[in-house]
Amino acid sequence: DAKTTQPNSMESNEEEPVHLPCNHSTISGTDYIHWYRQLPSQGPEYVIHGLTSNVNNRMASLAIAEDRKSSTLILHRATLRDAAVYYCIPTNSGGSNYKLTFGKGTLLTVNP
Amino acid sequence: DSGVTQTPKHLITATGQRVTLRCSPRSGDLSVYWYQQSLDQGLQFLIQYYNGEERAKGNILERFSAQQFPDLHSELNLSSLELGDSALYFCASSVGNPTDTQYFGPGTRLTVL
Repeated sequence: DAKTTQPNSMESNEEEPVHLPCNHSTISGTDYIHWYRQLPSQGPEYVIHGLTSNVNNRMASLAIAEDRKSSTLILHRATLRDAAVYYCIPTNSGGSNYKLTFGKGTLLTVNP
Repeated sequence: DSGVTQTPKHLITATGQRVTLRCSPRSGDLSVYWYQQSLDQGLQFLIQYYNGEERAKGNILERFSAQQFPDLHSELNLSSLELGDSALYFCASSVGNPTDTQYFGPGTRLTVL
């Protein structure tokens, strides 16, 4: 499994953009980059994923570096509901290993 | 609401006992995954089933077993329980391809006294 490095915690103010970085320097060419988040007392939920190009959805944007060794999850306007632990997870599209390997993630605090 | 249901929400039992956790996947999903979340180990993958067959195994103890039934619901059986088995157990489901989104249930909180 590709290893990831994320900041332990980050803080933001409500209504401001948040950039959550992730380093995944050992990622393979067929690994997608998935982001999940876990709100307090809930199960993880999918946020976004991508392979090479930047991706946007209604929740967030994902910016992937050209060498794919890092990515950044962008929340355009943080809300209190975005306070959660964010996990960056490389997932192998080419093998039979379907599991999600969660690291420690980044605890995002959003201040009102 | 992810569409994945888990029962019970809470379970309190004693050491040495056996419990069964149940999971119903989202409609149309063929794969079920079980994860354990404890304070010291974080979220860890236990096992995956696809359309009734075991597909992948993670750090699942021999005292734990799982199965997926023809109606695609899954059960995780935990036996000879120890204090250290106290944790949140999450079930997730997906269509079944490697990079498919996994949808997680609300979890079962197991407390072993």
